[in-house]
Amino acid sequence: QSALTQPRSVSGSPGQSVTISCTGTSSDVGGYNYVSWYQQHPGKAPKLMIYDVTKRPSGVPDRFSGSKSGNTASLTISGLQAEDEADYYCCSYAGSYTWVFGGGTKLTVL
Amino acid sequence: EVQLVESGGGLVQPGGSLRLSCAASGFTFSSYSMNWVRQAPGKGLEWVSYISSSSSTIYYADSVKGRFTISRDNAKNSLYLQMNSLRAEDTAVYYCARVRAIDFDYWGQGTLVTVSS
Repeated sequence: QSALTQPRSVSGSPGQSVTISCTGTSSDVGGYNYVSWYQQHPGKAPKLMIYDVTKRPSGVPDRFSGSKSGNTASLTISGLQAEDEADYYCCSYAGSYTWVFGGGTKLTVL
Repeated sequence: EVQLVESGGGLVQPGGSLRLSCAASGFTFSSYSMNWVRQAPGKGLEWVSYISSSSSTIYYADSVKGRFTISRDNAKNSLYLQMNSLRAEDTAVYYCARVRAIDFDYWGQGTLVTVSS
């Protein structure tokens, strides 16, 4: 399984919106509606932000939203805040109880 | 409160073995599937292994198949990862993560495994 493709970095100013893309194949992202997104601050464990492409766990601000088109999923963060600065990873189910992660995207809040 | 606490990491020589543990609390451990996910220093996340709630279904990433063994003891609320024939490229922080449905809703803080001579 090859890692999903994410941009290495994105940036935005407070209050702006940013979108992080995650490109896979028809065997993972395109084949299942099971894309999740994780936020990871330095030295911390990943935190689930989006699951099943578009759903937010309880406690995650509605500024975070997910979508998918074909083999590409996206995470959009609107109304950027300083605490959103972190690494973000997409993850897709790839069948037979296997998963593949993206390489990660570093979000900088300017 | 859901808690996952990994232990057992450390420095090991190439070719050596190590057993990681993950102690779970705050939820009915026996009702949830679990995973191990690792992160090499400065790198991204990599899924390692999956085990179903009853241990009836187990899967491994190709990179560890034949060398790593996942197991669990529901009576002890514990998850394990036996790692044999360790290589330098296995150096990483190893996280245990609870499977909510098809995603990972709770993660431990991780335990560092360093494979070096």
